[in-house]
Amino acid sequence: SQQGEEDPQALSIQEGENATMNCSYKTSINNLQWYRQNSGRGLVHLILIRSNEREKHSGRLRVTLDTSKKSSSLLITASRAADTASYFCATGGTGANNLFFGTGTRLTVIP
Amino acid sequence: SQTIHQWPATLVQPVGSPLSLECTVEGTSNPNLYWYRQAAGRGLQLLFYSVGIGQISSEVPQNLSASRPQDRQFILSSKKLLLSDSGFYLCAWSVGRQPQHFGDGTRLSIL
Repeated sequence: SQQGEEDPQALSIQEGENATMNCSYKTSINNLQWYRQNSGRGLVHLILIRSNEREKHSGRLRVTLDTSKKSSSLLITASRAADTASYFCATGGTGANNLFFGTGTRLTVIP
Repeated sequence: SQTIHQWPATLVQPVGSPLSLECTVEGTSNPNLYWYRQAAGRGLQLLFYSVGIGQISSEVPQNLSASRPQDRQFILSSKKLLLSDSGFYLCAWSVGRQPQHFGDGTRLSIL
């Protein structure tokens, strides 16, 4: 399967702390994307990192990609209660723009 | 700007009844269109994708079908719903290799 797997499945932290989520995948990729999903809503794209990139930043988000280990991490710094959501990694193959989603990490930020 | 509309937001249907979920995109031409299903607390499973009018690719065998009668309209259908068709259905669009943009989903409950 090309699906990614996030780790941990659930994470609970205090507001202001950093949150780190990991994603592992199995096949060669063109890019890896992270999405966020608030409860009962659609997914919102956060950041895309290409296979030839190792690190990318966007605001309080930092994503790393290690293609040799087929893994990625998403770091949210100085977390806020509004960051409470599920976070998914999705891998894009070398062919059509189909994405393969992991099972997600449910992040709870306690005020 | 581009927007995606998905309706209805919630739907309760009896087993054996037909289904029609509609998704429309505004503000872009010739988008790739996708239907996903998300089981409770799980990741997304790609059901169908379309790269153009009348072009539908199915990712998994199932009780559902999809159609794209117009460039920016994507419809998910079933002739007879099963209990296992319950879930959260998400429509998405993308252009080229850009990230996917999701609708707010339809929560389908089969009784």
